Amino acid sequence: QKEVEQNSGPLSVPEGAIASLNCTYSDRGSQSFFWYRQYSGKSPELIMFIYSNGDKEDGRFTAQLNKASQYVSLLIRDSQPSDSATYLCAVKRAGGSYIPTFGRGTSLIVHP
Amino acid sequence: DAGVIQSPRHEVTEMGQEVTLRCKPISGHNSLFWYRQTMMRGLELLIYFNNNVPIDDSGMPEDRFSAKMPNASFSTLKIQPSEPRDSAVYFCASSLHGNTEAFFGQGTRLTVV
Repeated sequence: QKEVEQNSGPLSVPEGAIASLNCTYSDRGSQSFFWYRQYSGKSPELIMFIYSNGDKEDGRFTAQLNKASQYVSLLIRDSQPSDSATYLCAVKRAGGSYIPTFGRGTSLIVHP
Repeated sequence: DAGVIQSPRHEVTEMGQEVTLRCKPISGHNSLFWYRQTMMRGLELLIYFNNNVPIDDSGMPEDRFSAKMPNASFSTLKIQPSEPRDSAVYFCASSLHGNTEAFFGQGTRLTVV
């Protein structure tokens, strides 16, 4: 079992809809969780991080964490075509330095 | 700040040749990561340095791969000899110690023919 699992997609949503991206992880002691966005041919860039159970909102983005169920999700409200990208979930290993382990990413397509 | 700088952006080499990838982290960052990204395996950590010292190299695939960080502003990843299966995009990233965010360079697209 891979440490961080994501559905590869593509997830296709219409413009203006809510896009929901999910990620599960295997290490129950994981402490920090990150969402990166990667446009085709570009490098990953951080868009959200979350440490505590519950929701964290930043503009159109909401990260949700449920440590008991070992999943983290990213909601994108009012999706725009410019949100079309691959979204990578990253998890910090327990008990050590900051070493993020990445999922393989979910491809999101927002169509007009 | 110029961000993390990697060179070259693209590298095409023949099987068996030595390849050296270079990275300049963001000034003041003391954590540096080398990742490899392929369609099949996604983004994989190769090696992690903290204060120029290799802390975790468990992701280095085999002895053909080596990485150095002689000072806080420069790191190299060397593949010798290179093989076609090494073809991938190699990313360097840096972060402040204890900081939450890793900043990525633009990557080096390596093609071994």
